[in-house]
Amino acid sequence: DTAVSQTPKYLVTQMGNDKSIKCEQNLGHDTMYWYKQDSKKFLKIMFSYNNKELIINETVPNRFSPKSPDKAHLNLHINSLELGDSAVYFCASSQTGPGGYTFGSGTRLTVV
Amino acid sequence: QKEVEQDPGPLSVPEGAIVSLNCTYSNSAFQYFMWYRQYSRKGPELLMYTYSSGNKEDGRFTAQVDKSSKYISLFIRDSQPSDSATYLCAMKGSNYQLIWGAGTKLIIKP
Repeated sequence: DTAVSQTPKYLVTQMGNDKSIKCEQNLGHDTMYWYKQDSKKFLKIMFSYNNKELIINETVPNRFSPKSPDKAHLNLHINSLELGDSAVYFCASSQTGPGGYTFGSGTRLTVV
Repeated sequence: QKEVEQDPGPLSVPEGAIVSLNCTYSNSAFQYFMWYRQYSRKGPELLMYTYSSGNKEDGRFTAQVDKSSKYISLFIRDSQPSDSATYLCAMKGSNYQLIWGAGTKLIIKP
């Protein structure tokens, strides 16, 4: 049973389209995250939600909008996709405190 | 200057060698230190977790933290081709925000 699952795994879409990525965790964690990983493998935090409340909102274009319907789900909606949005997007979860994060397997987004 | 510095590599070593991966950091408030392993087309997975200074061993892996030098290391003994992956260091202070290194790509040649 997958701990952090995100869908879809692959997404190929045209510039200007709107798309969503979904994430669910069954670990009972209270915090969920969206990360963007570029071609050089650097992990950049985008958003963090704690118990459905936004607690980190790094400098990302407002075309990116996270939504957390409950503490087990965190979705990412992207409007007006651009070529530079092509990357791998990872969802992760953790329990507030010193512990580590559990990651999903990623969504590879390609904008053409 | 980045808070966490990590050489991106790639680091290529022959099978069976001892591998040493390192990160340096600037924030003396960091207390919790982690190493993640990321295989190609997969998410990062937590490999080693250390609190404060000292060593931690798990099988062929040893994590070492030297807070006085602000330096952490991951050693892999008897390296295997299956260890080929990107290794990311990450660390937290009392605010529990995780700060990442850039990742080192490791290649173990058979």
